Amino acid sequence: QVQLQESGPGLVKPSQTLSLTCTVSGGSISSGGYYWSWIRQHPGKGLEWIGYIYYSGSTYYNPSLKSRVTISVDTSKNQFSLKLTSVTAADTAVYYCARDYAVTTGNAFDIWGQGTMVTVSS
Amino acid sequence: QTVVTQEPSLTVSPGGTVTLTCASSTGAVTSGYYPNWFQQKPGQAPRALIYSTSNKHSWTPARFSGSLLGGKAALTLSGVQPEDEAEYYCLLYYGGARVFGGGTKLTVL
Repeated sequence: QVQLQESGPGLVKPSQTLSLTCTVSGGSISSGGYYWSWIRQHPGKGLEWIGYIYYSGSTYYNPSLKSRVTISVDTSKNQFSLKLTSVTAADTAVYYCARDYAVTTGNAFDIWGQGTMVTVSS
Repeated sequence: QTVVTQEPSLTVSPGGTVTLTCASSTGAVTSGYYPNWFQQKPGQAPRALIYSTSNKHSWTPARFSGSLLGGKAALTLSGVQPEDEAEYYCLLYYGGARVFGGGTKLTVL
């Protein structure tokens, strides 16, 4: 059973870079057909998709965050990572990693990590 | 900027039926937007319920169903249980991009 676990600092200073890692267990991140996403949720608000990295290494980012976001993969560690630069208080949120994949009728999200709270504050 | 719109809140009685909808600012939602639906309870991560309009995951209770209705994606709960009280989010695919709706807070009362 594939599981995802986010990790990283819970506190980041303004203007610095937020760095999070999602560890995949129970399966290989290199398995074909999977999109590995980062999603965030501001306190008391809805979900915001940040971007994904495909198993091949290609990426796609939310246009509203594209200039500050980098998602990368480390297949040797079975992990993928998020870097968000020049953070402000507006980046304070719970950050989730999740998986979706292509099916014959479209795409399906299935597995989510438990989420990690990141606060941007000096 | 693409916007996906859901009802902010709905209330349903236990045992009743309720339909939540998901609209796109770009026009009618079709199966090509691969609508997904998620349930989120306070303090928990979202849980996937429906994918590609109407397909259920193995863990999705039978009382949840997905469809297209009047140009929108729809999630119907039939025979609502108290434990169905939660926030529900839809997600649509726009090529490579994924966009979440703002969520519907479902109250079972």
